[in-house]
Amino acid sequence: DAKTTQPNSMESNEEEPVHLPCNHSTISGTDYIHWYRQLPSQGPEYVIHGLTSNVNNRMASLAIAEDRKSSTLILHRATLRDAAVYYCILRRGSNYKLTFGKGTLLTVNP
Amino acid sequence: NAGVTQTPKFRVLKTGQSMTLLCAQDMNHEYMYWYRQDPGMGLRLIHYSVGEGTTAKGEVPDGYNVSRLKKQNFLLGLESAAPSQTSVYFCASRNLAGGDYNEQFFGPGTRLTVL
Repeated sequence: DAKTTQPNSMESNEEEPVHLPCNHSTISGTDYIHWYRQLPSQGPEYVIHGLTSNVNNRMASLAIAEDRKSSTLILHRATLRDAAVYYCILRRGSNYKLTFGKGTLLTVNP
Repeated sequence: NAGVTQTPKFRVLKTGQSMTLLCAQDMNHEYMYWYRQDPGMGLRLIHYSVGEGTTAKGEVPDGYNVSRLKKQNFLLGLESAAPSQTSVYFCASRNLAGGDYNEQFFGPGTRLTVL
């Protein structure tokens, strides 16, 4: 599976937008970009995924670069509940397994 | 729906003891997974199952066995626990249908300590 690179940690203030970057320069044409997050002492939860086009859902937006070598998860208004580790994961189209890296620890300041 | 549940939530074992972790899902999902998470690390896949009666090895299968006798249950066994198996264990499930949709639903985890 292609590898992703994320910053170890980021900080944000409550009610401000947060942009979490992910680099995946070796992505292939059939790799989907998934984002999961893990709140403290909980299992991971799905956030969003996309292939080529930008995606929006109730939790977040996913902006995918035109060359697909990077993507950004956007939380439009961070809340204290958004403090978590965010994982950017590539999944090949036919593969039903996810490979988790270390992710980005997001701290949200009141 | 309860989603994905795991039993027990916590367990302390002595080296050499055996135990079974139970994962249950009520979403009629085909795929089920067992992961472990060590401090400061991401999740690593131990074993997975693509349907009732089938299992396959993941990234770190050594020292573990699994069984999927019923579609809703996925059991993870440790025959002879070792301190290196101290970890938090997560179970997940995923529906077969959905095209590119691949959301995995995770349980709350089991914290296992092996002394």
